[in-house]
Amino acid sequence: QVQLVDSGGGVVQPGRSLRLSCAASGFIFSSYGMHWVRQAPGKGLEWVAVLWYDGSTKYYADSVKGRFTISRDNSKNTLYLQMNSLRAEDTAVYYCAREYSNNCFDPWGQGTLVTVSS
Amino acid sequence: QSALTQPASVSGSPGQSITISCTGTSSDVGGYNYVSWYQQHPGKAPKVMIYDVTDRPSGVSNRFSGSKSGNTASLTISGLQAEDEADYYCSSFTTSNTRIFGTGTKVTVL
Repeated sequence: QVQLVDSGGGVVQPGRSLRLSCAASGFIFSSYGMHWVRQAPGKGLEWVAVLWYDGSTKYYADSVKGRFTISRDNSKNTLYLQMNSLRAEDTAVYYCAREYSNNCFDPWGQGTLVTVSS
Repeated sequence: QSALTQPASVSGSPGQSITISCTGTSSDVGGYNYVSWYQQHPGKAPKVMIYDVTDRPSGVSNRFSGSKSGNTASLTISGLQAEDEADYYCSSFTTSNTRIFGTGTKVTVL
């Protein structure tokens, strides 16, 4: 079945880096755009970034632009989020999601928790 | 860019219908027919309920329907059931090719 598995979260100090991964299975990964979406504890959903199916085009939310980099390895069916210069306000559960259709996120990964704290 | 505006909470009795609004601008909701809606139960990942304003993915109950007028999109849940109690978020494509979510609405079944 179509599945996304998020990993790589953990506790990290402010200013440090972390890389998240999203392993895809059950569909042709190289045919779909992919997103990262985050949710701070007790808060709503916040869109983070999108990467086109072929890796050619990417867009970011203003809150992470210049600090986060979205990438993919279509040979490994894996999406990544490199997070640098982390701040306390980046603390959240991070979900990857496939763009099934225009602005339709389906499915979602199970999420991975990133905690930025000293 | 600020989040799309949703009511913080909506409630209804079993069997009733409720509607959740999602207000944006002409740069997002009003400019494209790319509005989607997500249901999220506590501790779970979101699940798409509506996309392209009105379309329902296979497997989603036909009690869920979507619409749009100007800069405001709406999600209607008819025949409210206990299992519908959850948080709901709208999302839209934007003119800068980014995406934006709504502030979220907690639905309570009385």
